[in-house]
Amino acid sequence: SSELTQDPAVSVALGQTGRITCQGDSLRSYSASWFQQKPGQAPKLVIYDKDNRPSGIPDRFSGSSSGSTASLTITGAQAEDEADYYCNSRDSSGVVFGGGTKLTVL
Amino acid sequence: QLHLQESGSGLVKPSQTLSLTCGVSGESISRGVHTWSWIRQPPGKGLEWLGYIHHSGGTYYKTSLKSRVTISGDRSKNEFSLKLTSVTAADTAVYFCARGHISSWYSFEYWGRGTLVTVSA
Repeated sequence: SSELTQDPAVSVALGQTGRITCQGDSLRSYSASWFQQKPGQAPKLVIYDKDNRPSGIPDRFSGSSSGSTASLTITGAQAEDEADYYCNSRDSSGVVFGGGTKLTVL
Repeated sequence: QLHLQESGSGLVKPSQTLSLTCGVSGESISRGVHTWSWIRQPPGKGLEWLGYIHHSGGTYYKTSLKSRVTISGDRSKNEFSLKLTSVTAADTAVYFCARGHISSWYSFEYWGRGTLVTVSA
């Protein structure tokens, strides 16, 4: 099965733009989804099909993809955006998740 | 509003079978077009997809767990279940049930709150 690689930690200043990346061969064939998880809570879908936001997700969250890398961008980060973020995609074994990125809003 | 709720034993002995159920309200698991998945998260670690059951009743499992996982559905109760055989301590995790998005089945749009299952003698 393939892997998705994420940086373990990313920090962003309040109100600034932060980017979280996800790398893996499966992203050449399948689009990425992104999930936000806060302590003690279930993950929340924030981006699907590479660059689509579910209803209720603020438009400061956006997704993009190029080659084997997918990115989640938070434009104008808020304190409540501090969380763990996971990417996923399909792969030959079913579904693969990235290891997660802890986003700190300074 | 769609709601998912996991239930089942929170403590399982090594080598035994883990059994969980996900009760669904707000949508029929057999009439829609969605998939219904099980995902787990060991304490302090990342997410792992285990498999899904399709609204038609078909199933699809993670390759490496295929020999141990069974997902089934009960249309009369509007719930779906997970069985994981021959458990070890490595199966200790919070187990979530989730529904896939209509346009991308692995974009898990709705989640249960999760239930912790500990494998210990």
